[in-house]
Amino acid sequence: DTAVSQTPKYLVTQMGNDKSIKCEQNLGHDTMYWYKQDSKKFLKIMFSYNNKELIINETVPNRFSPKSPDKAHLNLHINSLELGDSAVYFCASSQAYGTAFSEQYFGPGTRLTVT
Amino acid sequence: AQTVTQSQPEMSVQEAETVTLSCTYDTSESDYYLFWYKQPPSRQMILVIRQEAYKQQNATENRFSVNFQKAAKSFSLKISDSQLGDAAMYFCAYTKYGGSQGNLIFGKGTKLSVKP
Repeated sequence: DTAVSQTPKYLVTQMGNDKSIKCEQNLGHDTMYWYKQDSKKFLKIMFSYNNKELIINETVPNRFSPKSPDKAHLNLHINSLELGDSAVYFCASSQAYGTAFSEQYFGPGTRLTVT
Repeated sequence: AQTVTQSQPEMSVQEAETVTLSCTYDTSESDYYLFWYKQPPSRQMILVIRQEAYKQQNATENRFSVNFQKAAKSFSLKISDSQLGDAAMYFCAYTKYGGSQGNLIFGKGTKLSVKP
């Protein structure tokens, strides 16, 4: 059983388009995250979200928005895509937020290519 | 702001030998967690080992062990008896204990090659 899944795994699109990446976890976790890994392999948090609180990294453009229809899903919507948005996007989840250690489980990543 | 620094962009080790990957971090917190993640070519992020800052004993997981120096803010990973399957990107990561953020802060990674 896949713990954290993302769809699609690969996404190629043109500048200016709007796209979404879906994330689902079947672990019953309370908190989900989105990370961006750039072309130099640097990983950076974009959002963390539980059922009460959304924390946005201030460096994330407002073209990016997380949407959570329920606790098991955290989708990433990106408007007006730019070349610099090309990256691998990872979804992750963990049991609790800001408590004792809770391992983050990562999805397989979505490679987004903007042409 | 917390930062994590990995000063070795690339490392190489002979199969069956031992290699140490370096990581330093900066934080004003006294309670936190440190991690090493492995990212093979498959792209999947795999947790290798973790260390709670309040524990003085260094963590070990089979062939993987850490040297945690809290005062020096150093957290190195030692891989013993290196295997071909250890070839990957290795990321050092930090997260604050408690509070409102469970976000991982990553270093820029070290690419480890294993020579047969």
